[in-house]
Amino acid sequence: AQKVTQAQTEISVVEKEDVTLDCVYETRDTTYYLFWYKQPPSGELVFLIRRNSFDEQNEISGRYSWNFQKSTSSFNFTITASQVVDSAVYFCALSVNQGGKLIFGQGTELSVKP
Amino acid sequence: NAGVTQTPKFRVLKTGQSMTLLCAQDMNHEYMYWYRQDPGMGLRLIHYSVGEGTTAKGEVPDGYNVSRLKKQNFLLGLESAAPSQTSVYFCASSPREAGSYEQYFGPGTRLTVT
Repeated sequence: AQKVTQAQTEISVVEKEDVTLDCVYETRDTTYYLFWYKQPPSGELVFLIRRNSFDEQNEISGRYSWNFQKSTSSFNFTITASQVVDSAVYFCALSVNQGGKLIFGQGTELSVKP
Repeated sequence: NAGVTQTPKFRVLKTGQSMTLLCAQDMNHEYMYWYRQDPGMGLRLIHYSVGEGTTAKGEVPDGYNVSRLKKQNFLLGLESAAPSQTSVYFCASSPREAGSYEQYFGPGTRLTVT
């Protein structure tokens, strides 16, 4: 069975702090994909990144970076110099190509205070 | 392009009433999905479709039915609404399985069953 765990339910930081959102996944498949989505207070889901199981390179996009480690089954997301606009719920998700189903974690609510 | 649209945006039902949620996408995507989002539980897959005329059950299909008569539309039906179906419903589409491509989400439908 597949599972995604985001152990941090809520995180609160002050603007300009760095913050890391944890994601741990479980699957026995050797081919799988990991995603991060952002859900701002307006409610829509915004795609941030996709990573396949064969690519363990870390990725950086502006203030966002992702650390994928197969050895610990983790796909953590770091926001550097956080801003108030980063306040949102962030979801980590897993897909193992069974009809395209996404398995979501419970989400982490990030609050960035000015 | 409008992307993925959902109708209606909000709805209040009484227990036992029925309704249909409409999802439409104009991106010619093969795959379409219905998720529900409940507090603390992330998004869970209800039903999905891998092409026109096909449907399949997801993680939480009970109490729901779906139809994909046209490639661009995916309907979610509640035959006899129950308070446990109070949730935010998201539709998504993908050109292929979610592992190969990201899923594009609609804005959501907030449903309350009293």
